[in-house]
Amino acid sequence: NAGVTQTPKFRVLKTGQSMTLLCAQDMNHEYMYWYRQDPGMGLRLIHYSVGEGTTAKGEVPDGYNVSRLKKQNFLLGLESAAPSQTSVYFCASSYSINRKTILTGELFFGEGSRLTVL
Amino acid sequence: DQQVKQNSPSLSVQEGRISILNCDYTNSMFDYFLWYKKYPAEGPTFLISISSIKDKNEDGRFTVFLNKSAKHLSLHIVPSQPGDSAVYFCAGGNTGNQFYFGTGTSLTVIP
Repeated sequence: NAGVTQTPKFRVLKTGQSMTLLCAQDMNHEYMYWYRQDPGMGLRLIHYSVGEGTTAKGEVPDGYNVSRLKKQNFLLGLESAAPSQTSVYFCASSYSINRKTILTGELFFGEGSRLTVL
Repeated sequence: DQQVKQNSPSLSVQEGRISILNCDYTNSMFDYFLWYKKYPAEGPTFLISISSIKDKNEDGRFTVFLNKSAKHLSLHIVPSQPGDSAVYFCAGGNTGNQFYFGTGTSLTVIP
């Protein structure tokens, strides 16, 4: 009964280094998301995926890449980390919205990954 | 361009009283709205939602009101309890399953 799991939980990088955040969900959700949370900015959508093999840009996609090779996994990559990418990153997943059955498509979040770029 | 706004960064309420958290939005295409609660060092958890075709949804101590003409929604917590102290985010969602969050309101319930 893990839900949404993010690894690693904490990471410190130097400017220019690369890294990948891994998100795994065991609820068979179609949709997966990466958000970042910054003070005074709330949660901002970086990239999202509507299904295996598909990805799309969110509000703040620059400097990030994503991949969804398997339905249960969604990877967020930083090719060349910058101090502006210091943040707490949250992965989330959801079912697709079904208007007929009035499902809300609510998001299920992971616990977050705190990334510091020096 | 913030599509969902929470203009009150913080709110303090006495235990047992009503907490009212407000949220405004600019995107009239949102199909539904959600409230999430977040404790420190944890991910946000879903609290309550409302469809854009409704004006009220109630779940126990939590009620969400939607005023579409004013593009405003509010979350009422009655009675407030110390365990309700957390950051509350409102979010708008569309049929593309995209969710846009506000900046959050930190609620403190004073015992």
